[in-house]
Amino acid sequence: QSVLTQPPSVSGAPGQRVTISCSGSSSNIGSNTVNWYQQLPGAAPKLLIYSDNQRPSGVPDRFSDSKSGTSASLAISGLQSEDEADYYCAAWDDSLNGLYVFGTGTKVTVL
Amino acid sequence: QVQLQQWGAGLLKPSETLSLTCAVYGESFSGYYWSWIRQPPGKGLEWIGEINHYGSTNYNPSLKSRVTILVDTSKNQFSLKLTSVTAADTAVYFCARVGVAPITYFFYHMDVWGKGSTVTVSS
Repeated sequence: QSVLTQPPSVSGAPGQRVTISCSGSSSNIGSNTVNWYQQLPGAAPKLLIYSDNQRPSGVPDRFSDSKSGTSASLAISGLQSEDEADYYCAAWDDSLNGLYVFGTGTKVTVL
Repeated sequence: QVQLQQWGAGLLKPSETLSLTCAVYGESFSGYYWSWIRQPPGKGLEWIGEINHYGSTNYNPSLKSRVTILVDTSKNQFSLKLTSVTAADTAVYFCARVGVAPITYFFYHMDVWGKGSTVTVSS
């Protein structure tokens, strides 16, 4: 039921910069802030970025995001082995009575 | 530091009712919304719904006919019930805190998560 579209996978060598795109619509990304979650294998998702560009305490500034219109992207600079995980974008969707929608998820592989 | 501990039956037969509970420790229960999210094996995340300490709820339209989220403020707990389960409801179910108080859907996000409960529906 994902309404936000992400690439299935991205990869990069240690130290490189990778970006993950997230495409939505006017009722979600176009109207509300975007959040990003990191999910390590076998673990619960962890909030990575919220309210478009805020990082919770402890999240390194290697993670950054941007938004334009109905699309957003997450950038990971200085890629590290511990960054290998699934990443999900998300936003509130104002359609119908409203619901929170997640992206399709992107697997980041560190080569 | 708020922590969420969740539990519930892990194996159900088709047509039974899924029941999970999430307890909140370490911080005020009131003032926040509390949510449930699920993740089928090998798939992405799906928001199920939310509740606040007054019992005000909001559900995913795709599940609304089968979902009930309840709150027990005396125990700082909230629970999920999903009726008439099928194999398609097999998933890891997470409870989480909505990290915006007072609720503002523009900034909606989940900042604290439980560890997840695996629920399998099989005959």
